Amino acid sequence: QPVLTQPPSSSASPGESARLTCTLPSDINVGSYNIYWYQQKPGSPPRYLLYYYSDSDKGQGSGVPSRFSGSKDASANTGILLISGLQSEDEADYYCMIWPSNAYVVFGGGTKLTVL
Amino acid sequence: QVQLQESGPGLVKPSQTLSLTCTVSGGSISSGGYYWSWIRQHPGKGLEWIGYIYYSGSTYYNPSLKSRVTISVDTSKNQFSLKLSSVTAADTAVYYCARLRIVATMRWFDPWGQGTLVTVSS
Repeated sequence: QPVLTQPPSSSASPGESARLTCTLPSDINVGSYNIYWYQQKPGSPPRYLLYYYSDSDKGQGSGVPSRFSGSKDASANTGILLISGLQSEDEADYYCMIWPSNAYVVFGGGTKLTVL
Repeated sequence: QVQLQESGPGLVKPSQTLSLTCTVSGGSISSGGYYWSWIRQHPGKGLEWIGYIYYSGSTYYNPSLKSRVTISVDTSKNQFSLKLSSVTAADTAVYYCARLRIVATMRWFDPWGQGTLVTVSS
């Protein structure tokens, strides 16, 4: 089963942007997959944020602010969650997810984002 | 809007079967285009997909758990259930139920239940 690699932690200051990464194994091409992102705050279930395939194929979760956006870095085989205009309430764990097949889904290990 | 709520024992003895139920409110479990899922999170760790079911009874399981997992649905009660057999301490986790929405190539889990902690211990 594929492993999605996320840095354990990241930090940024309020008002700045945070760039969270999700690296796919080398035998899976990021360009071929929807990358999904979830946010989880302590004591709460994950919340669906968005998915990104391409600039013309992406979607935002219900009520998710537009300052959350997705992208890909094909050269690094990585999916990216960009959070602009960071707010203290954005401090949370963030998980990426892909469907390697129609009947199998895998999550990344998560990144803990600290808003300094 | 649709809400999900997990219920079941919080403590299960090793080698026994873990049984949880997810009650869906605010919508029908028989609605087309939605699948009903179980996902768990070990303490302080990431998310692990367990499996999902369609209202017709079609199931899909994580290969790593498949031999021990059964997911079933009761449309009359608007509920679906998880059974995990032969549990060990490694099955101690918060168990979430979630709705899986499938639209063309898009598949996402939303909403999620609040989760229930199941501890495996004698």
